[in-house]
Amino acid sequence: QVQLVESGGGVVQAGGSLRLSCAASGITFSSFGMHWVRQAPGKGLEWVAFIRYDGSNKFDTDSVKGRFTISRDNSKNTLYLQMNSLRAEDTAVYYCAKDRSMTIWGQGTLVTVSS
Amino acid sequence: QSALTQPASVSGSPGQSITISCTGTSSDVGGYNYVSWYQQHPGKAPKVIIYEVSNRPSGVSNRFSGSKSGNTASLTISGLQAEDEADYYCSSYTSSNTWVFGGGTKLTVL
Repeated sequence: QVQLVESGGGVVQAGGSLRLSCAASGITFSSFGMHWVRQAPGKGLEWVAFIRYDGSNKFDTDSVKGRFTISRDNSKNTLYLQMNSLRAEDTAVYYCAKDRSMTIWGQGTLVTVSS
Repeated sequence: QSALTQPASVSGSPGQSITISCTGTSSDVGGYNYVSWYQQHPGKAPKVIIYEVSNRPSGVSNRFSGSKSGNTASLTISGLQAEDEADYYCSSYTSSNTWVFGGGTKLTVL
């Protein structure tokens, strides 16, 4: 059974840091690129970052450049999102999703940045 | 990285068909066949219903179909059912090696 499980969300003050994790099971994790996507309360989906299957290339959206870093550990079947210099506008549910077409999603983890 | 353009809302009666459009540019929708559609029910994670413009994952009803013409992709739902009431999002790969979503469309089944 294919499953992605996010963790690491919580409440943090503006300017603080959090690291999100996404544990994969039921798939050959090392074969697929992975995304982070977020959804602010009551808003639409926003793509955040992508990492290729082997970690060789990473891409992210302008609003998180220099603050967020996507990474992965294929030996642990785990995807990460290191979030620094957090802002109130980063408050959202963060989802990880499998492959270019985002064919599998996790249940999400809520990040709340208090100002 | 401008969002793709979707109608804010659409509605239809049970049994009818509806189409949701997703308009981008030649740098995203028009330039690549990496257009996907997602269904999201309240409080739930999104679920892919169409990928690579017109491919349907196993387990997704054949009432859902996708297509593309120029810079506009479309999702058609035929034989509307109450359970189809949800938010729908399109996404596309872009020439900047990024991905972009549409603003989302709320489908109401009357």
